[in-house]
Amino acid sequence: AQSVTQLDSQVPVFEEAPVELRCNYSSSVSVYLFWYVQYPNQGLQLLLKYLSGSTLVKGINGFEAEFNKSQTSFHLRKPSVHISDTAEYFCAVGLTGGGNKLTFGTGTQLKVEL
Amino acid sequence: GAGVSQSPSNKVTEKGKDVELRCDPISGHTALYWYRQSLGQGLEFLIYFQGNSAPDKSGLPSDRFSAERTGGSVSTLTIQRTQQEDSAVYLCASSLGTSDPNEQFFGPGTRLTVL
Repeated sequence: AQSVTQLDSQVPVFEEAPVELRCNYSSSVSVYLFWYVQYPNQGLQLLLKYLSGSTLVKGINGFEAEFNKSQTSFHLRKPSVHISDTAEYFCAVGLTGGGNKLTFGTGTQLKVEL
Repeated sequence: GAGVSQSPSNKVTEKGKDVELRCDPISGHTALYWYRQSLGQGLEFLIYFQGNSAPDKSGLPSDRFSAERTGGSVSTLTIQRTQQEDSAVYLCASSLGTSDPNEQFFGPGTRLTVL
């Protein structure tokens, strides 16, 4: 079975500073990887996804993530955060041939401070 | 266009009562998913539908949980004899199909509180 680990439950960062949210997964088969963002009292919104090809994936709002197969990681980065990036971020993995079912990590709360 | 909608947005019930949660997927989306988000935990997969069929019910936590989908559109998640541990946010998502990797679009969720 696959699993997703987000080691950091909370990440505080000052505005305009860079940030990295960590995600590691385990799976015995090929995977697809996703990052979703959840703003307060809203549903999840897709930030970016890795399906195949280039390991560096760019998403919305200036976020990017790099798929590292050897380290089974898919860390999310942004070079300069804004107050509006305060939200909860979820990493998810889907298995090829898995019927599109996603397995989510426990989430990382990003808090951007002035 | 209209996104995934869920109703009610909040539901407070007493232990032992039955509840029904509704999901309206995006028009034309054939696949529909239910997840549960408990405090301090990630999203837990419950069940998904392709059309009106549910090929994977593996995430339903007990036989008190059931779901159906009619007309390839609206879905209802029913929890019978609710327990306090059922308190969570129940999220619904839909996608064009289940041929991976279709993007899943999420609704705002139903917050269920069992007293």
